[in-house]
Amino acid sequence: NAGVMQNPRHLVRRRGQEARLRCSPMKGHSHVYWYRQLPEEGLKFMVYLQKENIIDESGMPKERFSAEFPKEGPSILRIQQVVRGDSAAYFCASSSPRGGGTDTQYFGPGTRLTVL
Amino acid sequence: SQQGEEDPQALSIQEGENATMNCSYKTSINNLQWYRQNSGRGLVHLILIRSNEREKHSGRLRVTLDTSKKSSSLLITASRAADTASYFCATSTQEYGNKLVFGAGTILRVKS
Repeated sequence: NAGVMQNPRHLVRRRGQEARLRCSPMKGHSHVYWYRQLPEEGLKFMVYLQKENIIDESGMPKERFSAEFPKEGPSILRIQQVVRGDSAAYFCASSSPRGGGTDTQYFGPGTRLTVL
Repeated sequence: SQQGEEDPQALSIQEGENATMNCSYKTSINNLQWYRQNSGRGLVHLILIRSNEREKHSGRLRVTLDTSKKSSSLLITASRAADTASYFCATSTQEYGNKLVFGAGTILRVKS
């Protein structure tokens, strides 16, 4: 049973480019969460999605960031016109709908974004 | 304000010793989870303890939860060099919905 998968593992972008980060949840999981971790800090919540729905985006910056979790395919976190301050590790987690989303969240290996 | 805060920030012990890390939080929780992160890697889930539970064990790990003090502790017994990592507590609360709120973590170094 594969865990949460994220790709790419490392992504380098120049300022102004777009970054697309992908997350495939664990089999049977329909709840996806995105978190960002700056160097030497804990993780900060960004967005919580279920299939085709954004449930909570209270942690998303108001501009340039968007997320989706389509009916088919992985969840995508998109960052437009990246700036140096977007450099961070972005983690995706998934959980089972069984507990209403309050069960264990399993994390992927992360995507490390570097903006030059 | 930050929901989960760990202490100490850093802990250095000898192999074979026990390591205790603490986590405090501010509001009522649904559950509290402990994760481990090796340098530059993803998070590994260790234990989830629900608000109506007081103690849980998993191998060499023991987690306690005191809701009256809004605190939790993670005890690693008979530590090994491979336990060297950052340890984070994360809370799930009614106020914040399903998202996890992480503390800044405790960096544990186990010397062999």
